[in-house]
Amino acid sequence: SQELEQSPQSLIVQEGKNLTINCTSSKTLYGLYWYKQKYGEGLIFLMMLQKGGEEKSHEKITAKLDEKKQQSSLHITASQPSHAGIYLCGADTGGGNKLTFGTGTQLKVEL
Amino acid sequence: NAGVTQTPKFRILKIGQSMTLQCTQDMNHNYMYWYRQDPGMGLKLIYYSVGAGITDKGEVPNGYNVSRSTTEDFPLRLELAAPSQTSVYFCASSPSWDGAYEQYFGPGTRLTVT
Repeated sequence: SQELEQSPQSLIVQEGKNLTINCTSSKTLYGLYWYKQKYGEGLIFLMMLQKGGEEKSHEKITAKLDEKKQQSSLHITASQPSHAGIYLCGADTGGGNKLTFGTGTQLKVEL
Repeated sequence: NAGVTQTPKFRILKIGQSMTLQCTQDMNHNYMYWYRQDPGMGLKLIYYSVGAGITDKGEVPNGYNVSRSTTEDFPLRLELAAPSQTSVYFCASSPSWDGAYEQYFGPGTRLTVT
């Protein structure tokens, strides 16, 4: 089984709808990073969460960290075509100097 | 700053050939990483470095080698290319590791081995 599970694997939403992506770790989370990737491009950093209960927002994207559940959620409000892409979570599980990444969630936003 | 740059962007190799993927960062970051990304999969760490002269294996190091002679450069070497190495390769860097810094990624190298 994967150390870091993302759900759903893919998502198609209509423009204007809200959506949530989850990232669950089988190990203790010391830090959780969210990245976005467009097809054929590198990863763009979105947000970093370090403390249990921490919540960060940037424009229409909000990420939360539930330390007890070892889980993070990424919520997009009023989705737009520009939100389309692959969302990846990366976790610091205490391995030192490196992150473990989830398999990604592919988001498509339909007009 | 150019950030993290990778060359080439695309490459097709024949089985058994060798090649070096180049990675350079101009942010004076100590930590550098090589990942591979297969379709439908997340990123798998191949090798990483915590500073010039220091490298360590990641999750999937077999078939690859690295060196870190300068802070800026972290090349990845494939000695005997195999079809299983067909993937997209990403290089990343970060200033330090105390859990407070994100990794900065290059645009990737798409490699096909046939």
